[in-house]
Amino acid sequence: NAGVTQTPKFQVLKTGQSMTLQCAQDMNHNSMYWYRQDPGMGLRLIYYSASEGTTDKGEVPNGYNVSRLNKREFSLRLESAAPSQTSVYFCASEDRAYYNEQFFGPGTRLTVL
Amino acid sequence: QQQVKQSPQSLIVQKGGISIINCAYENTAFDYFPWYQQFPGKGPALLIAIRPDVSEKKEGRFTISFNKSAKQFSLHIMDSQPGDSATYFCAASIEGTYKYIFGTGTRLKVLA
Repeated sequence: NAGVTQTPKFQVLKTGQSMTLQCAQDMNHNSMYWYRQDPGMGLRLIYYSASEGTTDKGEVPNGYNVSRLNKREFSLRLESAAPSQTSVYFCASEDRAYYNEQFFGPGTRLTVL
Repeated sequence: QQQVKQSPQSLIVQKGGISIINCAYENTAFDYFPWYQQFPGKGPALLIAIRPDVSEKKEGRFTISFNKSAKQFSLHIMDSQPGDSATYFCAASIEGTYKYIFGTGTRLKVLA
């Protein structure tokens, strides 16, 4: 089992460019999440998907869109990147039937110039 | 209301010592309190978690103490080891909401 995988690992964008961060999990989890991690601010929830076919906004959704492509995959899209979106992005998945443990991917380090 | 306040921001402990990290919350609806451990360049991983129906939970050298009336919970790492050097996050959530509120993190360094 690979767990939660994320691509790419690193990315540099110019202001205004767009990109999609990919996330996949092989644990058959229903719920998936996107977080951003910034120094001194912990992890903040961007969007989540409680189950296949549903998505909802988290704490900081502005400037992002998501797609739950199927049960395994949950992508995060930046339509017009801004320097304020420079961050480390983590995808996580969770089996809501089991103790609420979230499993995190290795992260994508994004820099917007 | 939705914040989880974590302290200290950083902590240096001698090998064999006790590391203590504290978190406080306001929303009494929170009913699940996990602690995550994160090593540099890696994603966070669940370390230990507690629900408010118990005051303490212990797993090996890691203990969560929970004070419901004070709305505080803390992580104790006994016999701290250099391998425990990592960033620790507390979090809180409400069953069924799918939303987790994380603390700002504590960077722990255990000196050999």
